[in-house]
Amino acid sequence: DAKTTQPNSMESNEEEPVHLPCNHSTISGTDYIHWYRQLPSQGPEYVIHGLTSNVNNRMASLAIAEDRKSSTLILHRATLRDAAVYYCILRDEEDSSYKLIFGSGTRLLVRP
Amino acid sequence: KAGVTQTPRYLIKTRGQQVTLSCSPISGHRSVSWYQQTPGQGLQFLFEYFSETQRNKGNFPGRFSGRQFSNSRSEMNVSTLELGDSALYLCASSGTRGPNTEAFFGQGTRLTVV
Repeated sequence: DAKTTQPNSMESNEEEPVHLPCNHSTISGTDYIHWYRQLPSQGPEYVIHGLTSNVNNRMASLAIAEDRKSSTLILHRATLRDAAVYYCILRDEEDSSYKLIFGSGTRLLVRP
Repeated sequence: KAGVTQTPRYLIKTRGQQVTLSCSPISGHRSVSWYQQTPGQGLQFLFEYFSETQRNKGNFPGRFSGRQFSNSRSEMNVSTLELGDSALYLCASSGTRGPNTEAFFGQGTRLTVV
C-alpha cells in the first residue's frame, strides 16, 4: 500500500480556514485519496475522497496537486467541533476489498 | 437511516477468556470490516467480510476471527484473551466494495482485559 505523510499536529483559530497537507509521493495512477477524521471518543468519520480533480462537499474541499504527489484538505471555517485527528489514506483501484490503512494522522487543535 | 451499531459498547474480560463483539451495518450495506485501535499501534485493519465470506485479513493471530451472517450482521471473536488485546474495536460498513466509496464506522466496543 502506498504511504502518506502528514504533520503530527496543527493548530487553527475558530472560524478561520484550515489547510491540512498530505504527501503521497509514491501514489499510483489508480490510487484514490481519502480523508477520514476521528473526533474524541468516536469512530472515524468519512470526510471526502477524490482521484484527480479537486472535490467539494458539505464538509470540506480536497485540492489535489497536478502531479498527484500531494493533496490538501481544506476546512473553510473551522469550528470547535472540527478538532479531531485527520487521516489521509490512499485506496488502490485494484484493491476491491474495503481495507483502510491508517497512518498516525494530523491532530487538529481549534482555538476559540 | 440508522448508522452502524456495535454492541456492547464496553466490556471487561479476564485473561484467557474469549469474547464476541457484534456489528450491525447500515441497512443495505454488504461489506463489513473490523479494526483495532490502541494507543501504541493506532488503527489497524483486522478483516473484511462481504456476502458472508472473508475477503481480506490483516496481520493478526488466529485468535482473532469473525463471521458474517446472511443479513450482513457481523461478529468478531477473540479467544484466549491477552492483556494486549485491550483496545477499541471498530466496525465499518460500506455499500459497495472498491476504492471509490466511503466507509461508515460505528462507535466501537471498548474491550478491557484484566
